[in-house]
Amino acid sequence: NAGVTQTPKFRVLKTGQSMTLLCAQDMNHEYMYWYRQDPGMGLRLIHYSVGEGTTAKGEVPDGYNVSRLKKQNFLLGLESAAPSQTSVYFCASTPWRVSGELFFGEGSRLTVL
Amino acid sequence: GNSVTQMEGPVTLSEEAFLTINCTYTATGYPSLFWYVQYPGEGLQLLLKATKADDKGSNKGFEATYRKETTSFHLEKGSVQVSDSAVYFCALSDPQGGSEKLVFGKGTKLTVNP
Repeated sequence: NAGVTQTPKFRVLKTGQSMTLLCAQDMNHEYMYWYRQDPGMGLRLIHYSVGEGTTAKGEVPDGYNVSRLKKQNFLLGLESAAPSQTSVYFCASTPWRVSGELFFGEGSRLTVL
Repeated sequence: GNSVTQMEGPVTLSEEAFLTINCTYTATGYPSLFWYVQYPGEGLQLLLKATKADDKGSNKGFEATYRKETTSFHLEKGSVQVSDSAVYFCALSDPQGGSEKLVFGKGTKLTVNP
C-alpha cells in the first residue's frame, strides 16, 4: 500500500530557481493539502484542494502555486525559490473533511541556497 | 478563529515515567480533536482522536479526553518507553465552522531516556 508518496525526498536549489514537488495518493481521496514544517513553527498550511480542478489558499501561500489536474496528484510549485522557503514540505490527503484524519507523506526536504 | 495551544517542549523523561502533554483549543463550532505523532524522519500519523465532548481517545497506551468545559485535550501515558520519543501534535477539525482544514499546534518534542 503506497498511500501518499512525495517526490523528490530531497532537493537543493539556488535562489531564483524553480521546481515542482509532486504528491500522489492512491486512496481516491478528495481532499489534499500541502504543509511546511519549520522549527518552532509547527505545521503551516500552504495550499489545499477539495477536489479535482480546485485549489485554495492556506495560511502561508505566498511564493507557491499549486495544481490539481488529476484527483490523485497535487503539485506544489516554487516559481522563484528564496532562502525563506527552506523547509520540510508535507503532503496530506483525506477522504472527506468531516473525518479530519489526514494521511501524510514522508516529507520533502528543500534547501534554498 | 480556530486555534490550538500546546505546551512547549522539549520534554525529557526517563523510561516508565508518566507523561502529560497539555493541549487547549479555541473553536467556533463543535470540533473534533486529534493527536498526531511524528517519529524521526517520518511524516505525521494519527495517534488518537475524539469527536465529541467527554469522548476518550486511546491508542498504544496513550489517552486523551475531550473536555468541553475546559476546552482541553491533554495527552497522557502511564509509562513511556524509549520508542515513544517523537514530536506530538494536537489538532482540531471544525467542519461546522465551515473549515475544510485541520489546525495544528506547534508540536511538543518528547525524548525518553533508558
